[in-house]
Amino acid sequence: LAKTTQPISMDSYEGQEVNITCSHNNIATNDYITWYQQFPSQGPRFIIQGYKTKVTNEVASLFIPADRKSSTLSLPRVSLSDTAVYYCLVGPTDKLIFGTGTRLQVFP
Amino acid sequence: DTGVSQDPRHKITKRGQNVTFRCDPISEHNRLYWYRQTLGQGPEFLTYFQNEAQLEKSRLLSDRFSAERPKGSFSTLEIQRTEQGDSAMYLCASTGTGGKFTEAFFGQGTRLTVV
Repeated sequence: LAKTTQPISMDSYEGQEVNITCSHNNIATNDYITWYQQFPSQGPRFIIQGYKTKVTNEVASLFIPADRKSSTLSLPRVSLSDTAVYYCLVGPTDKLIFGTGTRLQVFP
Repeated sequence: DTGVSQDPRHKITKRGQNVTFRCDPISEHNRLYWYRQTLGQGPEFLTYFQNEAQLEKSRLLSDRFSAERPKGSFSTLEIQRTEQGDSAMYLCASTGTGGKFTEAFFGQGTRLTVV
């Protein structure tokens, strides 16, 4: 499975756009990139998944360059409720292996 | 369907006792995953099932840990002879198969405290 590297933590203010980058240099051809969000004392929640280029849903956008060695989760106009840990998972869709994630703190 | 449910939500046990946790996945999901999560760490993959077949169990933490999914529906995770280091949140997730994209749904977890 591809090893992923994300920042340990990030800070932002309400209303700003937040971009969290994940590095995955040894991504394999059949690997997908998936992001999950986790609040304290809850299970992770799926945010978005992609294979290449750009994917957008009602919550976030996922940007994947052509070489797929990294990806960026973009959260538009964050609010206090976006304070959470964000995990980047890279692998086949049946392999859900989590790293340590990025702890995002949003300030008023 | 109300999603993935786990029971109990909390369990306090004495060291050396056996504990069993239950996970009921979303009804049409045929993949089921177990994780352990300790404070400040990401969920640690333990094992997963496709229907009743346990496809990956090498990451179970020791031979004290075992999981079953006998009829391909609910699953149980058992920890025998619990130790204080087993104190953690145990999470269950389920996904469907088919299609290129797979979204996993997690339960609220079972928090185990070994005293």
